[in-house]
Amino acid sequence: AQSVTQLDSQVPVFEEAPVELRCNYSSSVSVYLFWYVQYPNQGLQLLLKYLSGSTLVKGINGFEAEFNKSQTSFHLRKPSVHISDTAEYFCAVTNTNAGKSTFGDGTTLTVKP
Amino acid sequence: DAMVIQNPRYQVTQFGKPVTLSCSQTLNHNVMYWYQQKSSQAPKLLFHYYDKDFNNEADTPDNFQSRRPNTSFCFLDIRSPGLGDAAMYLCATSSLWGQGAWQPQHFGDGTRLSIL
Repeated sequence: AQSVTQLDSQVPVFEEAPVELRCNYSSSVSVYLFWYVQYPNQGLQLLLKYLSGSTLVKGINGFEAEFNKSQTSFHLRKPSVHISDTAEYFCAVTNTNAGKSTFGDGTTLTVKP
Repeated sequence: DAMVIQNPRYQVTQFGKPVTLSCSQTLNHNVMYWYQQKSSQAPKLLFHYYDKDFNNEADTPDNFQSRRPNTSFCFLDIRSPGLGDAAMYLCATSSLWGQGAWQPQHFGDGTRLSIL
């Protein structure tokens, strides 16, 4: 079984400030880790992924995330956010054997001018 | 561009009237997923097809069925929609890379289903 906990349901931040969206997971098997972004009335778009190798992964739109195995975390960061980053962000884990994903409940990032 | 396309984007049906949502893909992925997403919640997996093999989630109601006539198309049938079935329905696809690693899922833009 696997689960994902996104520690913050809402994160308000001012434009050009840094942001961190937190994600913890648990799993009894190996997993891949992903962050997706969802804009209103759209599907989920992949931001970045961790499969193996370097624990710091870079994604689109200036986002990056760091995999921490000992803390079972995969926090998403951006050094300077824009108004256009306002969206819902989902952390997900995928079972390496079955290919099924479990999503966190999402974090609403609101960037204010 | 290769993509996942869901039709229609918005669907309104009456309580108890069967409805079908469609998904097509040009990615040639062998796995197709259907998710239900209610407002401000995470997507919830209903079922998925691995090629022609259907895999139902244990808590998916019998009211929800799926068909995959070929690699490119997958349908979600709701036999008797109730008010609680109003949601966004997301289709996604994936495939195994050569090293046996699962690709990230590619999502369509979803169909928002309303029940009158």
